[in-house]
Amino acid sequence: AQSVAQPEDQVNVAEGNPLTVKCTYSVSGNPYLFWYVQYPNRGLQFLLKYITGDNLVKGSYGFEAEFNKSQTSFHLKKPSALVSDSALCFCAVRGIRSSASKIIFGSGTRLSIRP
Amino acid sequence: ETGVTQTPRHLVMGMTNKKSLKCEQHLGHNAMYWYKQSAKKPLELMFVYNFKEQTENNSVPSRFSPECPNSSHLFLHLHTLQPEDSALYLCASSQAPGQGDYNEQFFGPGTRLTVL
Repeated sequence: AQSVAQPEDQVNVAEGNPLTVKCTYSVSGNPYLFWYVQYPNRGLQFLLKYITGDNLVKGSYGFEAEFNKSQTSFHLKKPSALVSDSALCFCAVRGIRSSASKIIFGSGTRLSIRP
Repeated sequence: ETGVTQTPRHLVMGMTNKKSLKCEQHLGHNAMYWYKQSAKKPLELMFVYNFKEQTENNSVPSRFSPECPNSSHLFLHLHTLQPEDSALYLCASSQAPGQGDYNEQFFGPGTRLTVL
């Protein structure tokens, strides 16, 4: 069975500081991993994905994520946070052998950047 | 904004009403999805359509009835809903999925539904 966990309900960071939003997963075989972000009154926006290759994936708005197979993690990062980064962040996973419709989303982490 | 639009953006309905949610995608995708997003709960996949054919129904109550007349349009017909059905309903689209594909889904802005 596939599963994804976002252990933090909320992450608070001061503007200009680095941010990390945690995500761990469980799948059979290799994973496809995604990060989405949801701004107020908007749908989910795709940020980045890991399929294969370099463990560090760069995405939209300066976000990046690091795939760590041994720790089954895919943490979202940004070197210097902006107030406009405040949003609800979702990690998602799909096993490579699963149908593409079987994407499992985490419960979400609210990212709050203070000025 | 993404290439996925949803109307209406907000909907308030009584339990005896019948209404429909509409989704349209302009991305040339062949798969469309309905999700339910409730407060403090993970996103719940409701229905999946590939090439206009329903391929997944995640035990959704029959008071929700999807319709996909073509690859660009998706509807969710609602009747005799309950207050607990109040949520944000999100539509998404992607390239037609299959095993081994890794195409991301693109989401619409959602319809905020309130059932009185």
